[in-house]
Parts: sequence; structure tokens; C-alpha cells
Amino acid sequence: GIQVEQSPPDLILQEGANSTLRCNFSDSVNNLQWFHQNPWGQLINLFYIPSGTKQNGRLSATTVATERYSLLYISSSQTTDSGVYFCAVGGGADGLTFGKGTHLIIQP
Amino acid sequence: GAVVSQHPSWVICKSGTSVKIECRSLDFQATTMFWYRQFPKQSLMLMATSNEGSKATYEQGVEKDKFLINHASLTLSTLTVTSAHPEDSSFYICSVNRGLTQYFGPGTRLTVL
Repeated sequence: GIQVEQSPPDLILQEGANSTLRCNFSDSVNNLQWFHQNPWGQLINLFYIPSGTKQNGRLSATTVATERYSLLYISSSQTTDSGVYFCAVGGGADGLTFGKGTHLIIQP
Repeated sequence: GAVVSQHPSWVICKSGTSVKIECRSLDFQATTMFWYRQFPKQSLMLMATSNEGSKATYEQGVEKDKFLINHASLTLSTLTVTSAHPEDSSFYICSVNRGLTQYFGPGTRLTVL
């Protein structure tokens, strides 16, 4: 099956810093999503981005489908950004294959 | 988006008992729902695809006789963990597709003593 690798696995930053999270995948996909899992376990949809660039406030994402990677940018980090960020890929209407996540800690 | 609920939020049971977890799509009809499992400090793993009115499709390595899935209506799928054992303790999360985007429920934390 398709492989999804995320880096870095852990990231500790000071409040106000910027960060870039990376997701590499091993095959072409029709679906790529970024999620933030909060401390209670809820997965929050950040982006549906199988290709191109999107922005939502302090967050933006870029997927280069031909090179099989996606980047999630977080600017001006806040403590509430802490949590685990997952990249997940799939073939459209299929279930998703998740990466192992990036555990982000934003320190005040 | 889509609003997905799960019940219960958490459950503790004794080894050997069965536990039913409900997943509801609150604001649209879902012909397909997905069940995932997440062990502590690990990623989510797809367990099965639940199809309304037909049998579920299980991922390799997931015992279909142990994890019974029933998708009886367009808004409800249930996962029953039969004869639960401590190694089944995990966080179970369901999701629905709306268009090509998946939306997840809040999850059910199962602890088997």
C-alpha cells in the first residue's frame, strides 16, 4: 500500500515562531488532507489539498503532486497550535492512510 | 463540512464482554462510513469501510468476527467489539466522506480491564 512519511516527528517552538511540516507519499493520490488532533483526540480538518496551494489565516499548505510531497506552514505560532498534525492520503472515496504525525509543542 | 457524533465518548468494560460504539452522521446521509483505531501515541489505522445496506469491507489483519460493523441506515453505523480483551483497548474513531473530504467523529476511548 501507499506509504506516508511525515517530518519532523517532534517540534518544539517558542510562541510567535514559524514552522514547516512535511509529508512525503509514495504514490499518486486523489485525496490529501491535513488534520490537527487536539488533546482530546478530535481530528480537526485543516486542508483538503491534493494539489496546489491554500491558505486559511495563519496556516497554509502546498502540495506538489508530481513530486509527491505536501507542506504545511504555520506562521506566528500560538500555544493553542500545540498538538499532533497528521497528513493523510487516499484514493478519493477510499479510507485514508495516515502518516505518523508531527507532535508540535508551542511554548509561551 | 459534516458533523459526526459518536457514542459513548468513553467506555470501560471487563474482559470477555462486548461493547457497541455508535457513529452518526448528523447533517447529511452517508452511504459510506469508515472506522479507524488509534493506539496511544500512534497514528490512525483504517480498520474497515462501512457500507449502508451491505457488508463492511475490512482491512487486512482486522478480524471481521471480532469487530462487527452494521450500517443499518444512512446516518448510523455501529462497531461492536466482541469478547473484548485488554489488547483491544484503544481510541476508535469513525469518519464520513462528504465529497472527497473526510470528516471525523470525536472518538470513543475503550478500556478493557
